Amino acid sequence: GAGVSQTPSNKVTEKGKYVELRCDPISGHTALYWYRQSLGQGPEFLIYFQGTGAADDSGLPNDRFFAVRPEGSVSTLKIQRTERGDSAVYLCASSLRGRAGEAFFGQGTRLTVV
Amino acid sequence: DQQVKQNSPSLSVQEGRISILNCDYTNSMFDYFLWYKKYPAEGPTFLISISSIKDKNEDGRFTVFLNKSAKHLSLHIVPSQPGDSAVYFCAASANAGGTSYGKLTFGQGTILTVHP
Repeated sequence: GAGVSQTPSNKVTEKGKYVELRCDPISGHTALYWYRQSLGQGPEFLIYFQGTGAADDSGLPNDRFFAVRPEGSVSTLKIQRTERGDSAVYLCASSLRGRAGEAFFGQGTRLTVV
Repeated sequence: DQQVKQNSPSLSVQEGRISILNCDYTNSMFDYFLWYKKYPAEGPTFLISISSIKDKNEDGRFTVFLNKSAKHLSLHIVPSQPGDSAVYFCAASANAGGTSYGKLTFGQGTILTVHP
C-alpha cells in the first residue's frame, strides 16, 4: 500500500502479558517514529529511528518498552509485562530523511490492557 | 509540564465563517511548528507548517500565524466547511544542533465542529 500500515488495528491483552505492535512505513522513508496517544491527549513521542538505528529513544517510558527496526523498514514496538496504564493508541509515522515535521502517520493500534 | 498547550478543548463555528484555533508553547528552543488534523480511527494528517523565521504561512483556506514574542501560534480556516470537522493538533519541534526534526511535541488537541 501507499501509506503507513500498522497491525493489528486493535489489541486486547491481559495485564502482565507481552505484546508486539508492527509498523510498515512508506517505501523509501528512512525515518520512522512511534508515538502514544492516551485518551484526550495529543500524541506523545516515544522513539525515532533513522534507518536501522534509534536516533532518539528519550520518550520510552521505562525498560518494559523496546522497539526495533532491523532492516531499516518494518519496525516492531515491544511491550513487556503490560500494565493497565499502557492502554492507548500507538501511532507510527514515517518521513523522508530530514523532513520529520511532515511525517505521515498510520491509523494506529489501539492497545487495551485488561 | 505541557510544553505545547491548546487551551480550548472544542470550537464550534458556522459553515462559511472563520475558524481560529490557538496554541501556546513554552520551550523557546522550538523553531518549527505544525498543524495536524485527525479524524476518528485515523492517524493525524499534516496540514500546514511554519518555520520560526516566518510569521505567516498560507495554503489555500489555511493560514498559520506565529507570534514568537508571545510564544503563540494560530490556525485560521476561511471559509470553514463541514468537512473540516475534526480534531486539530498543533505540534512543535526543536532542531537540536541540526540533527533532526525527529521529535514532535503535540498539544492536547481542539475538536472543531463546523455546522452546515
